[in-house]
Amino acid sequence: DTAVSQTPKYLVTQMGNDKSIKCEQNLGHDTMYWYKQDSKKFLKIMFSYNNKELIINETVPNRFSPKSPDKAHLNLHINSLELGDSAVYFCASRQDEKLFFGSGTQLSVL
Amino acid sequence: LAKTTQPISMDSYEGQEVNITCSHNNIATNDYITWYQQFPSQGPRFIIQGYKTKVTNEVASLFIPADRKSSTLSLPRVSLSDTAVYYCLVGGFSGGYNKLIFGAGTRLAVHP
Repeated sequence: DTAVSQTPKYLVTQMGNDKSIKCEQNLGHDTMYWYKQDSKKFLKIMFSYNNKELIINETVPNRFSPKSPDKAHLNLHINSLELGDSAVYFCASRQDEKLFFGSGTQLSVL
Repeated sequence: LAKTTQPISMDSYEGQEVNITCSHNNIATNDYITWYQQFPSQGPRFIIQGYKTKVTNEVASLFIPADRKSSTLSLPRVSLSDTAVYYCLVGGFSGGYNKLIFGAGTRLAVHP
């Protein structure tokens, strides 16, 4: 299937740990994003990559570091996890004016 | 960046037509109007997009008046599976910059 896929679907961890979320798209798109959806369901853009290069870094703590080994992958690494990092994280890719989202990773920091 | 205002929630019944209106008074000349649908535990899914006038696809219709300061998503004959959150977005990707801002969305509940 052609899609944006991200793993894991659920991630439960302790404060202070380091974790990674992986994202892959086989749609051939050049631009990928990470979004965060908080408990109030607002979706906020975190990072934008175009062909492996960072375009946008919104006001996100530097504990969050995106990595793009190639234009089909955009992984998100989070250091020293905090309670406030608990949210659903969505990866997306873009074609023209349309966004294609993954199914999300629900991160719970205990 | 254009801000959007849409109802927080709506209720409907199976078989009815649902119209969700979104206000975007400060829409810019180059901005598109895009609607996304989100089911629980899933990412948003593109439904329809328009620039002006009316757009129709197999899922919905989008009505945009001449001044473009609002838009209406129309879902014909909804079913229980249309229960979801619907987001109205105004913006685009000019210069590679992602100008799409997600608001709170409209929670549509379709009842039997």
